[in-house]
Amino acid sequence: DARVTQTPRDKVTEMGQEVTMRCQPILGHNTVFWYRQTMMQGLELLAYFRNRAPLDDSGMPKDRFSAEMPDATLATLKIQPSEPRDSAVYFCASGTGTRSDEQYFGPGTRLTVT
Amino acid sequence: AQTVTQSQPEMSVQEAETVTLSCTYDTSENNYYLFWYKQPPSRQMILVIRQEAYKQQNATENRFSVNFQKAAKSFSLKISDSQLGDTAMYFCAFMKQNAGGTSYGKLTFGQGTILTVHP
Repeated sequence: DARVTQTPRDKVTEMGQEVTMRCQPILGHNTVFWYRQTMMQGLELLAYFRNRAPLDDSGMPKDRFSAEMPDATLATLKIQPSEPRDSAVYFCASGTGTRSDEQYFGPGTRLTVT
Repeated sequence: AQTVTQSQPEMSVQEAETVTLSCTYDTSENNYYLFWYKQPPSRQMILVIRQEAYKQQNATENRFSVNFQKAAKSFSLKISDSQLGDTAMYFCAFMKQNAGGTSYGKLTFGQGTILTVHP
């Protein structure tokens, strides 16, 4: 049963610390998405990749956030330095990049910045 | 830019009954996809059903069906024979399709509707 995996599932950190979240997309999927979910903003797209190349990161605060795909099996989202307003659930999703491009979500990383 | 609106923050239904969740969207695009996702307390986002805008026939998946009204930009979800496991937050989402037939990939979500199924 193919699924998107994310680590860690939960992360508590202090303001100013670096946070790295990891995602393993479904094998064979060539699009990867990072979403953030908060009570106030709901679900919003941060960045997405096709064939490991970043296509859209306009939703991401550039000064502190960075997203990369070192290889086809790993996507990372880093926050440095973290701030309390970054507290949210971060989802990774992957898709096939085809016509209908259904996206399959990972279980999310709940980040709490104190 | 596209917007998706879910006007019902919360809904409740008795087990075995039918409930309809509303969704409207605003877009100038003619080709796009619409989705309903379910998020149970486990927080996992699960795809429930998908509709291509070029198809007039409403999509169905077992107990789940949609009423897609393209001219009215409305996309409601009907859940028949509601079960306790249907209790979740439901999100309506929009995805633009580009001229080449592939998608832009970006999902625009509504604010969600919390559905509670009572025994």
